[in-house]
Amino acid sequence: GQQLNQSPQSMFIQEGEDVSMNCTSSSIFNTWLWYKQDPGEGPVLLIALYKAGELTSNGRLTAQFGITRKDSFLNISASIPSDVGIYFCAGPKDNYGQNFVFGPGTRLSVLP
Amino acid sequence: GAGVSQSPSNKVTEKGKDVELRCDPISGHTALYWYRQSLGQGLEFLIYFQGNSAPDKSGLPSDRFSAERTGGSVSTLTIQRTQQEDSAVYLCASSLVAGGLDTQYFGPGTRLTVL
Repeated sequence: GQQLNQSPQSMFIQEGEDVSMNCTSSSIFNTWLWYKQDPGEGPVLLIALYKAGELTSNGRLTAQFGITRKDSFLNISASIPSDVGIYFCAGPKDNYGQNFVFGPGTRLSVLP
Repeated sequence: GAGVSQSPSNKVTEKGKDVELRCDPISGHTALYWYRQSLGQGLEFLIYFQGNSAPDKSGLPSDRFSAERTGGSVSTLTIQRTQQEDSAVYLCASSLVAGGLDTQYFGPGTRLTVL
């Protein structure tokens, strides 16, 4: 079945640094979603990507839909302490978008 | 409240007991999803509702798991004869319409611990 891999699994950065993480798939996706999960909370959608090559920004976050449609990247610029959390990529398992597969997540820690 | 709510927030049970987890979606949302998140893992899709019907139950791990939704609103996820491997956070999400890829709103989850 479809599987998503994320790298790195975890990262420790200094406040103010830029962050880059990626998500890869063994099969083609038509949509990529990036979520952030704070401790004890449910995931919150950050960015949605719908077209190969698309580059979308949301404040300090920028995400790209890879040309091959098998990968996506999320960048965070000038990290701050509240960026701490787990970042998940996700995509629909089928063409109807009603069943989703999530990656294992990238755990981000920001050191002051 | 305006968001998705889940109850209880924490549940500790003994192996072999049945548990019921509840999800209150955002008012007016027709689609409702259940996911399971094991420690340090991503989200595992369990089941999806459109209205009161469940077109996709493919993610339910075993026949000990069942879910229902009544009145197009509240949903309950029931786990019978719980096992230790059922310990996880169970997350519920809702969206305005089916296939709303960018509009899934998650609740805070129920942390289930099976002793």
